Amino acid sequence: DTEVTQTPKHLVMGMTNKKSLKCEQHMGHRAMYWYKQKAKKPPELMFVYSYEKLSINESVPSRFSPECPNSSLLNLHLHALQPEDSALYLCASSQLTSGSLSYEQYFGPGTRLTVT
Amino acid sequence: AQSVAQPEDQVNVAEGNPLTVKCTYSVSGNPYLFWYVQYPNRGLQFLLKYITGDNLVKGSYGFEAEFNKSQTSFHLKKPSALVSDSALYFCAVRRSGGYNKLIFGAGTRLAVHP
Repeated sequence: DTEVTQTPKHLVMGMTNKKSLKCEQHMGHRAMYWYKQKAKKPPELMFVYSYEKLSINESVPSRFSPECPNSSLLNLHLHALQPEDSALYLCASSQLTSGSLSYEQYFGPGTRLTVT
Repeated sequence: AQSVAQPEDQVNVAEGNPLTVKCTYSVSGNPYLFWYVQYPNRGLQFLLKYITGDNLVKGSYGFEAEFNKSQTSFHLKKPSALVSDSALYFCAVRRSGGYNKLIFGAGTRLAVHP
């Protein structure tokens, strides 16, 4: 099973709302990622988790709060977002890179977020 | 600094003809290169990667890519295009510093016409 699932598929939220995006994989991957993708642009890395610990935060505003409750799940908590945060949010997972080994990332279908 | 360039915003190909989507890279050290495809309103799907070994890499859906160290290129190819290949294609290079961070190119939209 090489599937990464994400819920919800679509989300519309106001600037004062709190919502969460969810991601799940059952491939035994110990690295998980959140990306933000604007229309017709490449994905931009937001966060990287390895062994359920936050390893990288690419200077993401604090209104985005990631969480990795276990090795299969990854959440992204959203609070007080701005309209410019509207985008496709992609989750991905991979085996952990080691030395000269480099593993492809498997992406979920994404959550289309609209902030009103 | 590491970077990836996809010089063409769009590539148009007739069905049945060969296709090439171009990618050049700039890295220090050995390059780790990837191709992904994205269909409308979908996530990215992995096509193939070059880590080491043969310069011609074969991947999913009949795609292949040729690694050329002297030209710092990693062009994606397919001998016979299908209309269903129409999508957005991203080349990516692994960033240094661990954690499998990727730098993506801007993307190339492939349009295959019947």
